[in-house]
Amino acid sequence: DVKVTQSSRYLVKRTGEKVFLECVQDMDHENMFWYRQDPGLGLRLIYFSYDVKMKEKGDIPEGYSVSREKKERFSLILESASTNQTSMYLCASTAHKTTGRWSRYNEQFFGPGTRLTVL
Amino acid sequence: SQKIEQNSEALNIQEGKTATLTCNYTNYSPAYLQWYRQDPGRGPVFLLLIRENEKEKRKERLKVTFDTTLKQSLFHITASQPADSATYLCALPASGGSYIPTFGRGTSLIVHP
Repeated sequence: DVKVTQSSRYLVKRTGEKVFLECVQDMDHENMFWYRQDPGLGLRLIYFSYDVKMKEKGDIPEGYSVSREKKERFSLILESASTNQTSMYLCASTAHKTTGRWSRYNEQFFGPGTRLTVL
Repeated sequence: SQKIEQNSEALNIQEGKTATLTCNYTNYSPAYLQWYRQDPGRGPVFLLLIRENEKEKRKERLKVTFDTTLKQSLFHITASQPADSATYLCALPASGGSYIPTFGRGTSLIVHP
């Protein structure tokens, strides 16, 4: 059974703290993504990575950074947490290929989410 | 980039009826469209994908249609059950040729017993 796991389900941090959110997938997927989800705003892409050590900015990268040192692990870092970063954070992964052929159509597999509260 | 519109109002229906959810997009015609289900406090789960050259796709009680002229996809759940209550998201490529999906904000479905 394919799986994407996130390090915490709930996290409470203080303003100014450095926060690490970890995501691990066991499907050998090339692509990994970090989203945040807020009521009324839907899923917004923060960063994604298409290979080890590669990263691309999404729609809302400000205040965040990422790290991908190993294929299965993608970390989201909040350098100095602020209250407006209180949100649900979702990690996802997708394969770049299906049955050996490159495909744009592959579905995303999501983790359970981390609900982060910054006080 | 693609703009996606899903009804923000919850859809309330009676058990056994067919639920129909709408996804409209405004820019270029996408190569595919995906539908996901999301339960409260959980990550979305993939349900169905339909490609631009397909008019309709079925999976058990689910049916998706794709009308590139109307720039619209309809998602149907037949013989709905209370367990189908969830938020349903549609997703399209963020831009032509992209493998990065853009998600709609989702529509909440509530099936009453």
